[in-house]
Amino acid sequence: AQSVAQPEDQVNVAEGNPLTVKCTYSVSGNPYLFWYVQYPNRGLQFLLKYITGDNLVKGSYGFEAEFNKSQTSFHLKKPSALVSDSALYFCAVSLANQAGTSLIFGKGTTFSVS
Amino acid sequence: SQTIHQWPATLVQPVGSPLSLECTVEGTSNPNLYWYRQAAGRGLQLLFYSVGIGQISSEVPQNLSASRPQDRQFILSSKKLLLSDSGFYLCAWKFGGGSTEAFFGQGTRLTVV
Repeated sequence: AQSVAQPEDQVNVAEGNPLTVKCTYSVSGNPYLFWYVQYPNRGLQFLLKYITGDNLVKGSYGFEAEFNKSQTSFHLKKPSALVSDSALYFCAVSLANQAGTSLIFGKGTTFSVS
Repeated sequence: SQTIHQWPATLVQPVGSPLSLECTVEGTSNPNLYWYRQAAGRGLQLLFYSVGIGQISSEVPQNLSASRPQDRQFILSSKKLLLSDSGFYLCAWKFGGGSTEAFFGQGTRLTVV
């Protein structure tokens, strides 16, 4: 079965420091990987995805993520965090092209920038 | 461009009362539609998904049901709410296929009292 793990419930950094939110996955096959952000009482917003090709994916608002197949990881990064980046971040995975394929989400990591 | 609407934004309902949450998508046709529940501001649990009109797949047994009466309309219902049904409900749509991202509505905060 597919699964996603986000090992940290909360990460705290000072403004200007790098942002890293960790994600590891377990799938039987080639994964499609996604990052979403959620602000309080709002829906999830798509940040970026890895499908194939370059392991470093760049997304919205200066975020990027690196796919590492050997470590089955897809960590989210931002070189310099802003206070406005404080939010709940979700990693998600899905598999090959099938009708109705759903995204399986991790439990989320709260990122707090002070 | 595509947009997704979900309402109401907040809802307080007594135990035993019925529930109807509605979600509609504009600007696309034949989307896959999803209902998720988020408990205590954390992880998302997939409740139902639909790949077409009248086609509903349930991921977990529960007190809820879903229907898709029109191509771009997805409804989450209950005949009698339980306290445990409280949570943040999110509707989402995506194109078919594993490589496409999902787009979420703004969510409904349901409190059962």
